[in-house]
Amino acid sequence: QVTLKESGPALVKPTQTLTLTCTFSGFSLSTYGMRVSWIRQPPGKALEWLARIDWDNDKFYNTSLKTRLTISKGPSENQVVLRMTNMDPVDTATYYCARIQGGDYVFDFWGQGALVTVSS
Amino acid sequence: DIQMTQSPSTLSAAVGDRVTITCRASQNIGYWLAWYQQKPGKAPKLVIYTASTLDIGVPSRFSGSGSGTEFTLTISSLQPDDFATYYCQQYKTYATFGQGTKVEIK
Repeated sequence: QVTLKESGPALVKPTQTLTLTCTFSGFSLSTYGMRVSWIRQPPGKALEWLARIDWDNDKFYNTSLKTRLTISKGPSENQVVLRMTNMDPVDTATYYCARIQGGDYVFDFWGQGALVTVSS
Repeated sequence: DIQMTQSPSTLSAAVGDRVTITCRASQNIGYWLAWYQQKPGKAPKLVIYTASTLDIGVPSRFSGSGSGTEFTLTISSLQPDDFATYYCQQYKTYATFGQGTKVEIK
């Protein structure tokens, strides 16, 4: 059974760095073809893909946010971490992690999401 | 960047209705299109990928078609569980989502 769960602060201040952790089970990110992505959704708005990390540690980023994002594996082998620097109120959103199996960006399993509010 | 445009933004329909949602890409994406269903307060759920392939467990009343720049999601007979927001997503180049289509009760 594949599950993913996001964890991290619910509230961050403007200019701070957000660190979110995705803890997953039911698959291994070491397996060929496995990938994990982060996607966010501002309240009442559409989904926006942020970043992807692959089984071989290749990493890909949304071009408009690339300078602010870092995706990495760990600290445990069933975790993926997303860091986003210089947070702004417009970054207030529910942040999801999702699995990709095989295809490049088809998200077949999603976490429940973590709401992050940016406010002073 | 590839832009995705869905129409309509909101659709009012009754149980049993046939419903069609359109998604247009700003450039040719081949068959690299997925559809997701999202209910309030929940994560999106994969419905269709490669434009017309149903994900495991998705009812056969859902179907997808199209290629290139124009795609459709059809629900042949709307059921109570289908009232939700639907998003298309291209994955020809990275991933971009449409703005969503809310299917509400008429």
